[in-house]
Amino acid sequence: EVQMVESGGGLVKPGGSLRLSCAASGFSFGTYSVNWVRQAPGKGLEWVSSISSSSSYINYADSVKGRFIISRDNAKKSLYLQMNSLRAEDTAVYYCARERGWFDPWGQGTLVTVSS
Amino acid sequence: EIVMTQSPATLSVSPGERATLSCRASQSVSSNLAWYQQKPGQSPRLLIYGASTRATDIPARFSGSGSGTEFTLTISSLQSEDFAIYYCQQYDNWPRTFGQGTKVELK
Repeated sequence: EVQMVESGGGLVKPGGSLRLSCAASGFSFGTYSVNWVRQAPGKGLEWVSSISSSSSYINYADSVKGRFIISRDNAKKSLYLQMNSLRAEDTAVYYCARERGWFDPWGQGTLVTVSS
Repeated sequence: EIVMTQSPATLSVSPGERATLSCRASQSVSSNLAWYQQKPGQSPRLLIYGASTRATDIPARFSGSGSGTEFTLTISSLQSEDFAIYYCQQYDNWPRTFGQGTKVELK
């Protein structure tokens, strides 16, 4: 079964940092681009960041550029998101997803809450 | 950035009826469009990619059409499990962008 499982969410103070992880299984992880997409409480979906199979191409949404860093470890079949200088507006469920242009599958999500 | 606009925001439908959801792109995205279904407390599920290709295990009552800037998701005969929020997403350009969603609710 193709699966993505996120971890690392939690409560963090404004200005703080957090590192999310995503473990992939059931497919050849090293041959796909993978992404982070977030969803603020009660809101729609917002693409956050993308990394290509060999980490050669990386993209960020303007809202996180300069604060978030995406990375991957193909040997560990894992995706990461280092989130720095967190703001209240970063509060959301963060999903990882395999990408072929479209996103499939998605993980179950991990909640990040930025609050003092 | 390509802006995706979905309409209506909410669609009230009775079981067995047909539901038609629209998605418009601010510039052409060719056929690089996907549709997702999201139920409360769940992650999104891919329904359609390439504007009209059903994803694996998606029932035939779901169909997608359109190209360029105008797209439609049709649910031919709504089942109880279809009440959810539906999002469109373009993957023609960076950043990838989603519509704001259409909520399909019980009439």
